[in-house]
Amino acid sequence: EIVLTQSPGTLSLSPGERATLSCRTSQSVSSRYLAWYQQKPGQAPRLLIYGASSRATGIPDRFSGSGSGTDFTLTISRLEPEDFAVYYCQQYGSSFGQGTKVEIK
Amino acid sequence: QVQLQESGPGLVKPSQTLSLTCTVSGGSISSGSYYWSWIRQPAGKGLESIGRIYTSGSTNYNPSLKSRVTISVDTSKNQFSLKLSSVTAADTAVYYCARDSAYDGAFDIWGQGTMVTVSS
Repeated sequence: EIVLTQSPGTLSLSPGERATLSCRTSQSVSSRYLAWYQQKPGQAPRLLIYGASSRATGIPDRFSGSGSGTDFTLTISRLEPEDFAVYYCQQYGSSFGQGTKVEIK
Repeated sequence: QVQLQESGPGLVKPSQTLSLTCTVSGGSISSGSYYWSWIRQPAGKGLESIGRIYTSGSTNYNPSLKSRVTISVDTSKNQFSLKLSSVTAADTAVYYCARDSAYDGAFDIWGQGTMVTVSS
């Protein structure tokens, strides 16, 4: 089974700053099968990015995904107040990463 | 707009079987190339895939839960279901149903989740 490791565990930033979240897989995976989700307290996760770099419907363009092989990145170009949440990466057929919490500094 | 809604008991006794149903509305469970999945999340922890089913009946289960899990589909009712046997307190979690694309495996639609507590 492919293991997904996210870093950092917690990211403390201010609104307007740039957030860079990492997801590493234990073996090379197809970019087609890498997705990112946002989860706010008390809510179900929401799909942000699929295919490593494609934004899901209705997702603002400040969210972008990149990467290939074993290293993938979710970038939030300028944090809005509603972006403070937990973010998970996920690979097709495997479980999720452990999550990165983006908190207000 | 396809929507998913979980239903089932919120409290299950240890050693018993947890049973949940996910009702699909706004579209047919049989249309398109989708798997129908169950995912859970213990309080304060991350997401764990439980398993999924295609409308053909083909299933995939998390190896760590495989011996206790059964996922089934009822296309006439536009529903799919989860049964998890021999539950313990470690199975206490919010259980989500979700749709994932057979093309890229992304979970694009989620139910709101239902809390299940295992306790006597």
